Amino acid sequence: TQLLEQSPQFLSIQEGENLTVYCNSSSVFSSLQWYRQEPGEGPVLLVTVVTGGEVKKLKRLTFQFGDARKDSSLHITAAQPGDTGLYLCAGGSSNTGKLIFGQGTTLQVKP
Amino acid sequence: SAVISQKPSRDICQRGTSLTIQCQVDSQVTMMFWYRQQPGQSLTLIATANQGSEATYESGFVIDKFPISRPNLTFSTLTVSNMSPEDSSIYLCSVAQGYTEAFFGQGTRLTVV
Repeated sequence: TQLLEQSPQFLSIQEGENLTVYCNSSSVFSSLQWYRQEPGEGPVLLVTVVTGGEVKKLKRLTFQFGDARKDSSLHITAAQPGDTGLYLCAGGSSNTGKLIFGQGTTLQVKP
Repeated sequence: SAVISQKPSRDICQRGTSLTIQCQVDSQVTMMFWYRQQPGQSLTLIATANQGSEATYESGFVIDKFPISRPNLTFSTLTVSNMSPEDSSIYLCSVAQGYTEAFFGQGTRLTVV
């Protein structure tokens, strides 16, 4: 059974601080996605990484896929209150189309 | 990307009754997925709905409790049957594109009293 361990599960920081969320597995995934979800909404896709060692940047967010395609990280620089939300990593299987989700990280950025 | 409309957005239901959730996609998709989510927590896959065949259920979920219809490539329904308070949750439909990238509806927040 494929599992994704996401950490930390809860993070409360001050505006302007940096943070990193980790997503680890013992399994190899064909792709890994990061989603952000706000209350009352469905998750929204932030990025997909597919190549081992890949790094993608989305403004203040940096996403990295591990060389072995088993782990990923999300780094936010100078967090803002608008970054508050639930962040979810998800590993994909190209065979089934299914996604395996991590436990999620609830981020609270205080002004 | 796909635009997914899900309804109802929320409902309060009496135990023992059933609720059918609808999911409409703005484009044709092969696979649609139904998830359950407790507020603030991760998503658990209920089943995969493919057009023209029976849905495939994940461990712990059965067709009698969560019957699914998939009449065409843009629409699906999930019914939560004989509800109990333990069924109170957020139910989400999604579609997969490309490298299993998922797009979600806004979810249905169900409260069973």
